[in-house]
Amino acid sequence: QKEVEQDPGPLSVPEGAIVSLNCTYSNSAFQYFMWYRQYSRKGPELLMYTYSSGNKEDGRFTAQVDKSSKYISLFIRDSQPSDSATYLCAMSAHQAGTALIFGKGTTLSVSS
Amino acid sequence: DGGITQSPKYLFRKEGQNVTLSCEQNLNHDAMYWYRQDPGQGLRLIYYSQIVNDFQKGDIAEGYSVSREKKESFPLTVTSAQKNPTAFYLCASSIVGGLGYTFGSGTRLTVV
Repeated sequence: QKEVEQDPGPLSVPEGAIVSLNCTYSNSAFQYFMWYRQYSRKGPELLMYTYSSGNKEDGRFTAQVDKSSKYISLFIRDSQPSDSATYLCAMSAHQAGTALIFGKGTTLSVSS
Repeated sequence: DGGITQSPKYLFRKEGQNVTLSCEQNLNHDAMYWYRQDPGQGLRLIYYSQIVNDFQKGDIAEGYSVSREKKESFPLTVTSAQKNPTAFYLCASSIVGGLGYTFGSGTRLTVV
């Protein structure tokens, strides 16, 4: 079993839809969780950062962490064509001394 | 502007040749990382460095080498021992203890 599992999609939605992106993980020591957005042929950019369980909201984006289920989600409200990208979840057990473990990424396409 | 610069953007090499990918940052970050991205594979860690003159192997270090002689620079050499070097290579940096990576825009290496 891989440490981080992420459905690669692709996921296609109409403009204005609510999008749910998810990752599951096996390492119960993970406590730092991130979502990155990557446009085609570009480097990923940090979108959301969450520590431990709970929700975090930033504009149209909401990140949720359920450590009991080892499950994290990213919700995008009122999706826009500019949201079309690959979304990567990433996580770590420690803040220092180790590198991030990434999911494979989910490719999202929002049509106008 | 602060950021990470990877060069070149595209690189073509003949099989059996060593090639060095450049990564320079002016963010004053202590930690730097190299990831490889293949379709359907997500980001896989090659090497990372938390301090000058020190670095650690990641999950797929075989066939790669790095150096960290300056804080700003973390070049990656893809050697002829790497069996399948064609990929998209991403360099990232962070403060030590920080997990919000800043990524470069990547180098696409094609070996023919």
